[in-house]
This record gives sequence, structure tokens and C-alpha cells, in this order.
Amino acid sequence: GESVGLHLPTLSVQEGDNSIINCAYSNSASDYFIWYKQESGKGPQFIIDIRSNMDKRQGQRVTVLLNKTVKHLSLQIAATQPGDSAVYFCAENIGGSYIPTFGRGTSLIVHP
Amino acid sequence: NAGVTQTPKFRVLKTGQSMTLLCAQDMNHEYMYWYRQDPGMGLRLIHYSVGEGTTAKGEVPDGYNVSRLKKQNFLLGLESAAPSQTSVYFCASSYQLATYNEQFFGPGTRLTVL
Repeated sequence: GESVGLHLPTLSVQEGDNSIINCAYSNSASDYFIWYKQESGKGPQFIIDIRSNMDKRQGQRVTVLLNKTVKHLSLQIAATQPGDSAVYFCAENIGGSYIPTFGRGTSLIVHP
Repeated sequence: NAGVTQTPKFRVLKTGQSMTLLCAQDMNHEYMYWYRQDPGMGLRLIHYSVGEGTTAKGEVPDGYNVSRLKKQNFLLGLESAAPSQTSVYFCASSYQLATYNEQFFGPGTRLTVL
């Protein structure tokens, strides 16, 4: 579950393991979702997106799964590398709106 | 392409001082946004613009003003800085059909108000 206060939820993994980062979204009308990666001291960077008419989408080493029934989104990173260490945000968009809603983020720490 | 750039990268202000943060994008994007990010928090939208000459309020607009005189630039102003405005500020831009397109973010401006 999420921590309170200033601490982000944290996932620690060993290099080479697979990572799964979860996100619960709030609005059942949301129809477009994006995962962003934010490295320390940098701006968020697009990783992968998915529309609500899909339940799975794959990229390079990343897979996003969408479960609309329980309003849940996950990001799977295969063979996690130290360079994957970052904060990962999910964002949801409601059709017709250009203002996404961002989650708080999850900190991924990859140990060599 | 430089993408989205922000100036300055760092700034320290005293309470009551004013400043302007500049965001520039070279991707011909229609939409531009200003966010603030506080420790352990997600991104909160301050103001946004859907085109040259237009601006609108976001989630946390109080204490900030913006202008979009040119399509490629989006300025964020603090007229009288307060310690509560200490934060990291990110600018972003996106294509016109923003509902189905990602945002491109700048590197951020770290602002401290004493």
C-alpha cells in the first residue's frame, strides 16, 4: 500500500529481476493512460501508453496491463537494470479532456 | 530539436520578490502546461494554454500568472513569492490532440523562497 507523508511507495529489486509497478486510477470514464519515468533531477519522460479499448500493450522491455473492471494499471519491466532506477508515474486522461491526472508515483530502486 | 527547455534551472528568492520562469518548445505544439512538484507528491497543474494568446487555470493557480504571447513560449510569473511556492516547476507541451498524446516535459526549475 502507499505510504503517507513525504515518502513515495518504493519497490526494491535486484538487477535482472522483473519489476511490476502498480497504479490504481480514479475515474471510470478515463480512456487513455500513460506511464512516465522520472530520473533524479530530470523531468518526466514518456515510457508507454494504452487506450481503454486495449488490455495489454508491449514496448521494449516494458508491458502495460489495464484492468478496467478494478480500475488498475500496471507497468512490467523485464530484466530490470540499474538505469531503470527512477520514479514512475501513471497518468489518466478522460476522453475530451487535455488535462491528465497524475498519480503520486512509485520509486523503483534497482540493486546491482 | 531541443524539445522543451526551461530557464533558469535554479533560483533563490526572498519572500515578496518577483520572477518569471520561461518555457520554450520547438516542436510546434499547441498545448503547454506549468506544473509544480513537491516532495513525495505527484505533479499538480498550475496553469495551461491551448494555443497562442490563451491561458486557463489549473488545480493550483493562486499566486501565479502566465502568458502565451508566442506559440513556442509559455511564461510563469510569481508576483510576490512566498515560502509555500518553494518547489520544482516543470513545463510541458503536447500536440493539439492532447487526449491521445503524451506530454513532453522540460528539465525543471528548482525554486527556493526564503
